Amino acid sequence: DTGVSQDPRHKITKRGQNVTFRCDPISEHNRLYWYRQTLGQGPEFLTYFQNEAQLEKSRLLSDRFSAERPKGSFSTLEIQRTEQGDSAMYLCASTPGRVNTGELFFGEGSRLTVL
Amino acid sequence: AQSVTQLDSHVSVSEGTPVLLRCNYSSSYSPSLFWYVQHPNKGLQLLLKYTSAATLVKGINGFEAEFKKSETSFHLTKPSAHMSDAAEYFCVVTPYGQNFVFGPGTRLSVLP
Repeated sequence: DTGVSQDPRHKITKRGQNVTFRCDPISEHNRLYWYRQTLGQGPEFLTYFQNEAQLEKSRLLSDRFSAERPKGSFSTLEIQRTEQGDSAMYLCASTPGRVNTGELFFGEGSRLTVL
Repeated sequence: AQSVTQLDSHVSVSEGTPVLLRCNYSSSYSPSLFWYVQHPNKGLQLLLKYTSAATLVKGINGFEAEFKKSETSFHLTKPSAHMSDAAEYFCVVTPYGQNFVFGPGTRLSVLP
């Protein structure tokens, strides 16, 4: 399968713990996005990368959140000192990056539950 | 700033009847517009996209959408609903093909 893969698919953690999610995009895609989706809502943009450069970061992304894409391939999203409000599905998507034609290819998401 | 309004949070139709899911957008620039579908416990999938070519866009599974700049709308339609169309549908706008802004979604139910 050469689609976008995310790991882990499910994570249950206690409040205050740190968690890290990994996303492996489609190999030739140079743009990578992170979104967060809560129940009954549309995906909310968190951040995106063009190759290894983080080009935009949402105000939703507090200082407890950090994302990296060190070699322009896979990306990690770390949440420090998790809170119950962080419980959500974290979605990763990639795209070839052609302006105004980009289709987002989504992974199946990483579901976080903070107890 | 760009934003998307989906006028109905839930639409219910009978199998075999037409589907209309409404979307209005706000964008400072000529946007690209998309409809994505999310089936239960599945990843988001692109249905169709408008990128400044033909204003009537055809997508997968018999869906289509018409871009109307004067109305800032991009409504999704299908002539005849199938049970398999039951899902959550998201309208998406991107002014530059960079940040993709999702609407809140419309849940489509199809009754037998």
